[in-house]
Amino acid sequence: DQQVKQNSPSLSVQEGRISILNCDYTNSMFDYFLWYKKYPAEGPTFLISISSIKDKNEDGRFTVFLNKSAKHLSLHIVPSQPGDSAVYFCAASAKTTDSWGKLQFGAGTQVVVTP
Amino acid sequence: NAGVTQTPKFQVLKTGQSMTLQCAQDMNHEYMSWYRQDPGMGLRLIHYSVGAGITDQGEVPNGYNVSRSTTEDFPLRLLSAAPSQTSVYFCASSYGQKGTGELFFGEGSRLTVL
Repeated sequence: DQQVKQNSPSLSVQEGRISILNCDYTNSMFDYFLWYKKYPAEGPTFLISISSIKDKNEDGRFTVFLNKSAKHLSLHIVPSQPGDSAVYFCAASAKTTDSWGKLQFGAGTQVVVTP
Repeated sequence: NAGVTQTPKFQVLKTGQSMTLQCAQDMNHEYMSWYRQDPGMGLRLIHYSVGAGITDQGEVPNGYNVSRSTTEDFPLRLLSAAPSQTSVYFCASSYGQKGTGELFFGEGSRLTVL
């Protein structure tokens, strides 16, 4: 039973426009959320994170929004660039001693940025 | 600074063979873990270690063994390979409780079991 869900397997967006990636979770114990980016034949790399005490975190072109009541988060990329074409994974964790570092991942969303 | 290093990058096995995927990190991280990536399933945790001498099972541990004799190394052993273990395997490390929870991943090991 997947506790982190990314329901859109793919997203195509024009260069310069906004990319919006969505992620839903079911476990109310999750209190830390991360987005990873993955290029083919490489390992995932950390992109941005957000703690449950916040509802927004920004880092350059990347912004993550968290709606705890809806158990939903989203990643906005503005403006989208060709180098953003990759698979994006949403991940979640709970800051209990037993679970810290055990990330639960979604299935990923393949983003393609077209010229 | 090499980060997380995995070997081999590619491996083909026959059903029933055994092998070890190697993982080493040079960041003095407490936590190390192994994930497998399968199409449509994201990354799933296989085994996990919070420090030398301590390991724990993740979501999909069956068919795999791990040990952590040093802080740097965390090998993953397949005891008797099965076609269902065909996957891409990623080793990861993190600072643990002192850190932010961010995982640092290796480049992956693609395993095919015939």
